[in-house]
Amino acid sequence: GAVVSQHPSWVICKSGTSVKIECRSLDFQATTMFWYRQFPKQSLMLMATSNEGSKATYEQGVEKDKFLINHASLTLSTLTVTSAHPEDSSFYICSARRSGPSREQYFGPGTRLTVT
Amino acid sequence: GDSVTQMEGPVTLSEEAFLTINCTYTATGYPSLFWYVQYPGEGLQLLLKATKADDKGSNKGFEATYRKETTSFHLEKGSVQVSDSAVYFCALSDLRTSGTYKYIFGTGTRLKVLA
Repeated sequence: GAVVSQHPSWVICKSGTSVKIECRSLDFQATTMFWYRQFPKQSLMLMATSNEGSKATYEQGVEKDKFLINHASLTLSTLTVTSAHPEDSSFYICSARRSGPSREQYFGPGTRLTVT
Repeated sequence: GDSVTQMEGPVTLSEEAFLTINCTYTATGYPSLFWYVQYPGEGLQLLLKATKADDKGSNKGFEATYRKETTSFHLEKGSVQVSDSAVYFCALSDLRTSGTYKYIFGTGTRLKVLA
């Protein structure tokens, strides 16, 4: 149990376009989902935390209008990179946490975004 | 603020060698501690965890003990295999003053095991 999927696994888009990445918890309800960005050979940087039915909480330095997060249901969160630029190229990883006291996160396989 | 520090890699070992990857942390609260593993091109997988002092997390031959007195959570394995080659991340989860949890990851340590 506790499987998280992401779609697409990789995407190439042109500069100026928007890209949506989906994160789904397949076999559990995720009250909280997290979006991370990972640069090559570096650690994960938390971008935002989303709770089902409420606005996402963004980390300092992350542009809310550029990285739109929607957590519409207990099994789905989406990240939309708006007006993408080459510097947005990165590996985006989502994770989900069940309701309850456990702090364990379950990670998706990641989405590699390349902006040309 | 909270932080996680892990030893820099890459670490290169021969098969069946003993592995230690050091991890120390600073936290204002009482965090839970985790080790995650990332294989090339994939997301992170939880390897093991510990939620309180002196807890030992273990999985697939890997072990780590939550040491509050030294604020450490070192990862060990007695005999590594080629299939253990991956990047290992130490992480903590702590409660913010807002009541939400924050997760802090170390920079990752790349392990390469040679046959």
